[in-house]
Amino acid sequence: DAGVIQSPRHEVTEMGQEVTLRCKPISGHNSLFWYRQTMMRGLELLIYFNNNVPIDDSGMPEDRFSAKMPNASFSTLKIQPSEPRDSAVYFCASTVGLAGRETQYFGPGTRLLVL
Amino acid sequence: AQSVTQLDSQVPVFEEAPVELRCNYSSSVSVYLFWYVQYPNQGLQLLLKYLSGSTLVKGINGFEAEFNKSQTSFHLRKPSVHISDTAEYFCAVSGQGGSEKLVFGKGTKLTVNP
Repeated sequence: DAGVIQSPRHEVTEMGQEVTLRCKPISGHNSLFWYRQTMMRGLELLIYFNNNVPIDDSGMPEDRFSAKMPNASFSTLKIQPSEPRDSAVYFCASTVGLAGRETQYFGPGTRLLVL
Repeated sequence: AQSVTQLDSQVPVFEEAPVELRCNYSSSVSVYLFWYVQYPNQGLQLLLKYLSGSTLVKGINGFEAEFNKSQTSFHLRKPSVHISDTAEYFCAVSGQGGSEKLVFGKGTKLTVNP
């Protein structure tokens, strides 16, 4: 059974460009989470969805970041315009249900470098 | 809101030695507690979790953790580590209120040397 799939695995872009990260959750999971990992700040929750509806986007750093989940099997995280300080590893995770007791299954991450 | 403190950012040990990775949490409500492991260039995966019941929780790869409510701790232990245990370990907490999100600690990098 396939796990959480993220694409691309690596992205190098120049400041000011638009970046789109993609995630396919595990089939049957109805909650999806976007995290950002940096050395300085550790692992931060950006936004999470339940049944395709955004539940909490308080972790989204600013208006340059947006996330969508048009259906149960696909989500995107977009950064426009990108800045060097956005360089990080972005993880997507999915789980069944929304209660905090559930195990989250993480994708392999997208390593983003903004020059 | 919950918070997690992992007291050690790096822990070097020799192969076959015991190890303890420390985790303390803060919360005004009852919590669920987790340990996740991240191998180089990979996503996180669950090692073990405490939901209720016995305070000693056993996980994968020979790891175990003990929930101590009075000390608000959830330390991770392994009696004998292997080179393959070299990874970063994250403690996480969520409240039992329902739609609670996970809050992660900063991580502890465990390096097992031969």
